[in-house]
Amino acid sequence: DQQVKQNSPSLSVQEGRISILNCDYTNSMFDYFLWYKKYPAEGPTFLISISSIKDKNEDGRFTVFLNKSAKHLSLHIVPSQPGDSAVYFCAASARGTGANSKLTFGKGITLSVRP
Amino acid sequence: GAGVSQTPSNKVTEKGKYVELRCDPISGHTALYWYRQSLGQGPEFLIYFQGTGAADDSGLPNDRFFAVRPEGSVSTLKIQRTERGDSAVYLCASSFTGTRIDEQYFGPGTRLTVT
Repeated sequence: DQQVKQNSPSLSVQEGRISILNCDYTNSMFDYFLWYKKYPAEGPTFLISISSIKDKNEDGRFTVFLNKSAKHLSLHIVPSQPGDSAVYFCAASARGTGANSKLTFGKGITLSVRP
Repeated sequence: GAGVSQTPSNKVTEKGKYVELRCDPISGHTALYWYRQSLGQGPEFLIYFQGTGAADDSGLPNDRFFAVRPEGSVSTLKIQRTERGDSAVYLCASSFTGTRIDEQYFGPGTRLTVT
């Protein structure tokens, strides 16, 4: 059973426009959420995170929104740049349970930003 | 500074053979994680070390998989009697303490192909 779901496998946007990447989760014990970015032949790199006590976290062009009641989060990138083209993974952790920081990942979404 | 390194970068082996995959974490990082990424999927947690001990091995799929970290730095993931379904990219990550989730730094992975 997929506890973290990224239902759209790909997204293509024009440079300068907004990219919105969506993620849903089913496990109500998850209380910390992260987005990772991955280029080919490289490991995932941390992008931005949000705790369940917040509904928004912003870092430069990247903003993550969390809707706990809907068990939904989204990553907004604005303005999108060609260098943002990569695979983006949504991940979650149940750190409030005292568990270690192991992450549960979604399948990822491939973002293509057209010049 | 040096990041997480993994060797080999690629490994092709025949079904039934034994393989070892190595991870060199960032110096001073006490926590080390192994994940497996199958084709079209996100990374899947395998095992977590805090120092020399395996604090959580709940993600290991069966007893053919084993991992060690004898001196609290380098870790080796060992797979016995490999099967074609073991083909995947094996990712290693490390963090300073394991208590800050967004501090997991990933290596580039080892692509294992079982023929």
